[in-house]
Amino acid sequence: DAGVTQSPTHLIKTRGQHVTLRCSPISGHKSVSWYQQVLGQGPQFIFQYYEKEERGRGNFPDRFSARQFPNYSSELNVNALLLGDSALYLCASSLGQGIETQYFGPGTRLLVL
Amino acid sequence: AQSVTQLDSHVSVSEGTPVLLRCNYSSSYSPSLFWYVQHPNKGLQLLLKYTSAATLVKGINGFEAEFKKSETSFHLTKPSAHMSDAAEYFCVFYNQGGKLIFGQGTELSVKP
Repeated sequence: DAGVTQSPTHLIKTRGQHVTLRCSPISGHKSVSWYQQVLGQGPQFIFQYYEKEERGRGNFPDRFSARQFPNYSSELNVNALLLGDSALYLCASSLGQGIETQYFGPGTRLLVL
Repeated sequence: AQSVTQLDSHVSVSEGTPVLLRCNYSSSYSPSLFWYVQHPNKGLQLLLKYTSAATLVKGINGFEAEFKKSETSFHLTKPSAHMSDAAEYFCVFYNQGGKLIFGQGTELSVKP
C-alpha cells in the first residue's frame, strides 16, 4: 500500500503570494494533520481534520487554512506569504482522531523569497 | 501545559556502542509518548509509542524506551549503534485534539 503522499515536493514563492499544498492519506485513514517544520526545529502542529471537519488547530494565523475532501485527501492553503513561512510542511494521516499513530508523508519544502 | 524537553541537541557515539537519547515530559495527566526518527530528506518514521500499557516499550530497529513516571522521563536507548542510525530523533507528546507536540530534536551522529 502507498504511504502518505504530498505534492509538490518543492515550491518557491515570493512574499505576498499564496500557496496550496496537497496531501493524500493512507488508504482507509480518515484523519489528516498538518505540521510546519522550520529548519533546525521540531514540527509544529497546524491543523487536524477528521471526517472533513476541523478537529484541532495550532497557534497559527488566519492566513493558514485547510480543508479535507470526501476522499479524505486534504489541502493546506497559506495566503499572503511571509519569509518566515519558509519551512517543510508535513502531512500525517491516522485511522481516527484519538491516540492513533500518525504516519507522515515526505513533506513539501516551501521557500518564500 | 503539556510539553517535552529533549536534553541533548546533539549526541555522538561510536558504532557498536550504546545509544541514549534523553527526553523529559511535563503533563497534568497520564501521557501518551512517542519517538520518531527523521533521516535526511525523508519523512518522519515512528520508532515506538507508549500509551499507558507496559512501561518498557520496544520499537523497531532495536530501539526501546522506558517510561518513568517518578522521573517524568521517556529516554530512548539502543544497545549497539549502527551507522544507519545517524538521524534526527524526536520525542513527541500526544495532546488532545490529535495534536502531537514535538521536542526540539536530538541529532545522533555515529562514528565508524
